[in-house]
Amino acid sequence: DAGVTQSPTHLIKTRGQQVTLRCSPKSGHDTVSWYQQALGQGPQFIFQYYEEEERQRGNFPDRFSGHQFPNYSSELNVNALLLGDSALYLCASSLTGIGYTFGSGTRLTVV
Amino acid sequence: ILNVEQSPQSLHVQEGDSTNFTCSFPSSNFYALHWYRWETAKSPEALFVMTLNGDEKKKGRISATLNTKEGYSYLYIKGSQPEDSATYLCALRGTSGTYKYIFGTGTRLKVLA
Repeated sequence: DAGVTQSPTHLIKTRGQQVTLRCSPKSGHDTVSWYQQALGQGPQFIFQYYEEEERQRGNFPDRFSGHQFPNYSSELNVNALLLGDSALYLCASSLTGIGYTFGSGTRLTVV
Repeated sequence: ILNVEQSPQSLHVQEGDSTNFTCSFPSSNFYALHWYRWETAKSPEALFVMTLNGDEKKKGRISATLNTKEGYSYLYIKGSQPEDSATYLCALRGTSGTYKYIFGTGTRLKVLA
């Protein structure tokens, strides 16, 4: 039974570019949450998707957007990248939003 | 602003030592608390979910307690082994109406052989 799969593992982007990160949830899970972990901090909640809609959002600008597909997989999009967006992006899946199974993350570096 | 604090930030212990760390949170905002174990280059792994004041959970040599009235949870590791080396994160869900978890910055444990 595959857990949560994130892609890519690492990527480097230039300031001003756009990036898309992908997440496949654990089998049987219907909810996907995205977190950003900057250096020296705990993971910060970006948003959660359930039934293909954004159910809750954290304190992130509109440059951060997402999508959930009918198969429950999800994408995180970040536009107009800033140096400060460099971080580890974690995807976590759950059933109805309770308790998480995490992926191993995507390391984004903005130069 | 809901804040979760963990202490210490890091510690080194000798193999065989027992150790404990703390997760503190506002006692007025509590719905559930999770502990995760996160090894480098791997995914955070769920250890415990705690919801009731006085909860005690155990998994092998690792155990946790919860005091919601004073706003803290302790994680204990008995007889630490090198494979226990990891970052231990706690995450708080503040109310039943939110799906957002607030994470602490973690305690980084290094067990020396």
